[in-house]
Amino acid sequence: DVKVTQSSRYLVKRTGEKVFLECVQDMDHENMFWYRQDPGLGLRLIYFSYDVKMKEKGDIPEGYSVSREKKERFSLILESASTNQTSMYLCASSLIDRKNYGYTFGSGTRLTVV
Amino acid sequence: KQEVTQIPAALSVPEGENLVLNCSFTDSAIYNLQWFRQDPGKGLTSLLLIQSSQREQTSGRLNASLDKSSGRSTLYIAASQPGDSATYLCAVIGETSGSRLTFGEGTQLTVNP
Repeated sequence: DVKVTQSSRYLVKRTGEKVFLECVQDMDHENMFWYRQDPGLGLRLIYFSYDVKMKEKGDIPEGYSVSREKKERFSLILESASTNQTSMYLCASSLIDRKNYGYTFGSGTRLTVV
Repeated sequence: KQEVTQIPAALSVPEGENLVLNCSFTDSAIYNLQWFRQDPGKGLTSLLLIQSSQREQTSGRLNASLDKSSGRSTLYIAASQPGDSATYLCAVIGETSGSRLTFGEGTQLTVNP
């Protein structure tokens, strides 16, 4: 069964810390995505990547950066965590053939910044 | 800009009922539509993917239909069970949106025993 694995289910970090959220997929997907989900705001795209070492800003990239050194791994980096970055973070992947295939999501990381 | 709307926002039904969840989108130029399920505090689980050339897809007690020209999709759940309680999200990939998914706000379903 295909999988997207997020390394942590729950994470508590202090304000100002540098935070790394890791995501690995085993499906040889070209595309990878990071979303955050907040009550009343739905899912919002932070960053995505079409290929290794390639990244594109989503709708809310401020305060975040990403890294994709290998095809299977896409990391989200909070340069200096703030309390307004407390959220559920979801990683997803998909094939570049977007007509015929959908997205696969990970199980999410609940990040709390204190 | 594509917008996706789901109605109702919340639904509570007794066990055993057949039910329909609705999804509408403003731009009919889509590649496909995907229905997801999300349990509280968890990630999204894909239920059904309907390609733009298809009219419907079925998986077990679930049936999803797509009317691309009118910008509508429905998710039909037969003989609902308490284990079906979750939030159901629909999302579309538009022909001009690259690989971005546009999500609806979701329908929160509660099936009462």
